[in-house]
Amino acid sequence: GENVEQHPSTLSVQEGDSAVIKCTYSDSASNYFPWYKQELGKRPQLIIDIRSNVGEKKDQRIAVTLNKTAKHFSLHITETQPEDSAVYFCAATLFGEKLTFGTGTRLTIIP
Amino acid sequence: NAGVTQTPKFQVLKTGQSMTLQCAQDMNHNSMYWYRQDPGMGLRLIYYSASEGTTDKGEVPNGYNVSRLNKREFSLRLESAAPSQTSVYFCASSESLMTSYNSPLHFGNGTRLTVT
Repeated sequence: GENVEQHPSTLSVQEGDSAVIKCTYSDSASNYFPWYKQELGKRPQLIIDIRSNVGEKKDQRIAVTLNKTAKHFSLHITETQPEDSAVYFCAATLFGEKLTFGTGTRLTIIP
Repeated sequence: NAGVTQTPKFQVLKTGQSMTLQCAQDMNHNSMYWYRQDPGMGLRLIYYSASEGTTDKGEVPNGYNVSRLNKREFSLRLESAAPSQTSVYFCASSESLMTSYNSPLHFGNGTRLTVT
């Protein structure tokens, strides 16, 4: 089955700086890569996703890049703000299969 | 439109006790899931139901059972609770595992379970 590794487990950045979280996956057939954000005490919520036919996707300050050859994908957050502090989970799957999640990254934005 | 509703929010059990976690969704989704979340372990799939009438084991099914009562409801049962089952449990739903695209998961608010 799919195996997803996520790094780093914790990340602290100054407000206004950029943050990058990286994930690698094992199954070259995986074709869908979502990212979920979980604020303290809340439920995980989808913030952005990318499919294998696309190399990059942006949504305002958030972007995700995918390198199929290397089997890794990354979340980029620019101009970080205090409300970006949360745990971020990457995940991978292929059509018809369940999501496999990474172990999460706790992002702290330092004012 | 409440989305995914889980009950209870908190529960404390003694070792050996049983309980059922309830989950309901009002989005007409076909697929439903139960995850547990432990520090440093991410979200691990316990059981899932791809469609009404079907259930399948996920990554960590031991010690749990599930029932897909109807299209809306998917319950998780602990028959004999153990301290290792202390965790936060999330129910989730999605349009369908079997569509030609991958639909996102919608999570409930979670149940914090402590087994002493």
